[in-house]
Amino acid sequence: GENVEQHPSTLSVQEGDSAVIKCTYSDSASNYFPWYKQELGKRPQLIIDIRSNVGEKKDQRIAVTLNKTAKHFSLHITETQPEDSAVYFCAAPPEGTYKYIFGTGTRLKVLA
Amino acid sequence: EAQVTQNPRYLITVTGKKLTVTCSQNMNHEYMSWYRQDPGLGLRQIYYSMNVEVTDKGDVPEGYKVSRKEKRNFPLILESPSPNQTSLYFCASSLSGDPLGEQYFGPGTRLTVT
Repeated sequence: GENVEQHPSTLSVQEGDSAVIKCTYSDSASNYFPWYKQELGKRPQLIIDIRSNVGEKKDQRIAVTLNKTAKHFSLHITETQPEDSAVYFCAAPPEGTYKYIFGTGTRLKVLA
Repeated sequence: EAQVTQNPRYLITVTGKKLTVTCSQNMNHEYMSWYRQDPGLGLRQIYYSMNVEVTDKGDVPEGYKVSRKEKRNFPLILESPSPNQTSLYFCASSLSGDPLGEQYFGPGTRLTVT
């Protein structure tokens, strides 16, 4: 069945450094790749997404890159700040199935 | 205010006692979904609904039921809860299921089954 692997499960970085989280998906029919941020005790919220007709998308300090051939996509956060500390989830819903498949999450800690 | 609401937010119950968690959205979204969140397992989809009267199983549907009689509501029913259903539950909605897009999540319901 469809599967999304997310690595690493935890990540600690110094404030100001960059963080990279990677997801690999199994279903080549996936064409939509969102990233969600979940702060402690809160609901997940979309921070950036990309569709398969583009290879990269940026929004200020965050960016997502997509490699459809290798079936992986990554979240990049530059100049990390303490408020970036959260759990991040990727997703790769296979087109046509209407299922939303999430990765297992990455807990990011930004150390001041 | 556009939002997804869930009730109750917290629930402690006993094994076998039927319960319903309600979910409502005011954004006229077609697609609604239920997820459970467990440590180390991420968000797993229980059921989803493409539109009124159209529902289908996600990855972990066992022990759960849903219904979509109205566009705005998508209740989750546990007919006979068991301790392994202790979890944090999120309802979510999207404008459409085809193509899939941003999910708007409710605040979550923390369920404990003893």
